[in-house]
Amino acid sequence: EVQLVESGGGLVQPGGSLRLSCAASGFTFRTYWMHWVRQAPGKGLVWVSHINNDGSSTNYADSVKGRFTISRDNAKNTLYLQMNSLRAEDTAVYYCARASEAAFHIWGQGTLVTVSS
Amino acid sequence: QSVLTQPPSASGTPGQRVTISCSGGSSNIGGHSVNWYQQLLGTAPKLLIYIDNQRPSGVPDRFSGSKSGTSASLAISGLQSEDEADYYCAAWDDSLNVWVFGGGTKVTVL
Repeated sequence: EVQLVESGGGLVQPGGSLRLSCAASGFTFRTYWMHWVRQAPGKGLVWVSHINNDGSSTNYADSVKGRFTISRDNAKNTLYLQMNSLRAEDTAVYYCARASEAAFHIWGQGTLVTVSS
Repeated sequence: QSVLTQPPSASGTPGQRVTISCSGGSSNIGGHSVNWYQQLLGTAPKLLIYIDNQRPSGVPDRFSGSKSGTSASLAISGLQSEDEADYYCAAWDDSLNVWVFGGGTKVTVL
């Protein structure tokens, strides 16, 4: 079964750091571009970042540029999102998604990040 | 304020046809394919339509997508109670160099 499972969310103070993980299974992870998309409580979907299949190219939304870093370990079939200098407005459910044919075909269940003192 | 504009809500009775619009510009919908996602309450989004009008396997043919110029639409025919959800359009924006989503449309089955 094709599956993405996020982990690493939790409560963190403003200015703190957190690393999210997304474990992939059931498909050849190294051949797909991967994305992070977030959703603040009661709000819509917002794209955060993407990484190409071999990790050599990344892109970020302006709101997280310079604070978040996307990476992947193809040997471990895992996607990461390192989040530093966290702000209250980063509070959201973070989803990882597998991309192909210009769409996000597979989504994880999401992990909640709460930034609060 | 989302780059792609959707109506906040839409509704219909069982069996009716409901259409959701998504308006953008030349840098997103006008130059790139549009996708639609369905998000049931408390769950992760699910791909409904990709490349403007293609359905992934398992998506009922009651769902259809179309695009004209800088606007796209999602139609749900034969509305069913299980279609009650939030629906989002999305496209790549080559001016902003990011993926953009619509604000979402909540579909209610009366």
